[in-house]
Amino acid sequence: QKEVEQDPGPLSVPEGAIVSLNCTYSNSAFQYFMWYRQYSRKGPELLMYTYSSGNKEDGRFTAQVDKSSKYISLFIRDSQPSDSATYLCAMILNQAGTALIFGKGTTLSVSS
Amino acid sequence: NAGVTQTPKFRVLKTGQSMTLLCAQDMNHEYMYWYRQDPGMGLRLIHYSVGEGTTAKGEVPDGYNVSRLKKQNFLLGLESAAPSQTSVYFCASLSLPYGTQYFGPGTRLLVL
Repeated sequence: QKEVEQDPGPLSVPEGAIVSLNCTYSNSAFQYFMWYRQYSRKGPELLMYTYSSGNKEDGRFTAQVDKSSKYISLFIRDSQPSDSATYLCAMILNQAGTALIFGKGTTLSVSS
Repeated sequence: NAGVTQTPKFRVLKTGQSMTLLCAQDMNHEYMYWYRQDPGMGLRLIHYSVGEGTTAKGEVPDGYNVSRLKKQNFLLGLESAAPSQTSVYFCASLSLPYGTQYFGPGTRLLVL
């Protein structure tokens, strides 16, 4: 079983839809969880960062972590064509500099 | 504050040629990383460094060498390029204590 599983999509939605992106993980020691957005031919950019179980909201984006189920989600409300990108989940064991473990990314397309 | 920069942006090599990719960060981060990203494979860690003068192997280190002579620079070398090394290479640096990685814009390498 891979450490981080992420459905690659592609996921296509109309403008204004609510989008749900998900990752599951196998290592219960992961403590920090991140979502990155990557536009075509660009480097990943940090979108959301969470430490504990629960929800964290930032504008139209909500990150959710359920450590008991080893499941994280990113919700995008009122999706826009500019949200079309690949979304990668990532998690890190601790603050000691261990490299992030990435999901393979979900490609999202929002049509106007 | 330029963040993480990478040089060059694009390069074409012939099999057997050598080259060095340069990564620079101006955020005073201790930890730096080199990833490669291939279709369907996600981001894979090549090498990383937890401080000036230190390097360590990641998931796919074969065929690559790295050096961290200065805190702000992390160099990735290919001694004898192979077509299997055709990829997009991303450098990243890590912000502590939150463990968030910041990525460069990438270097596209084509080995013929």
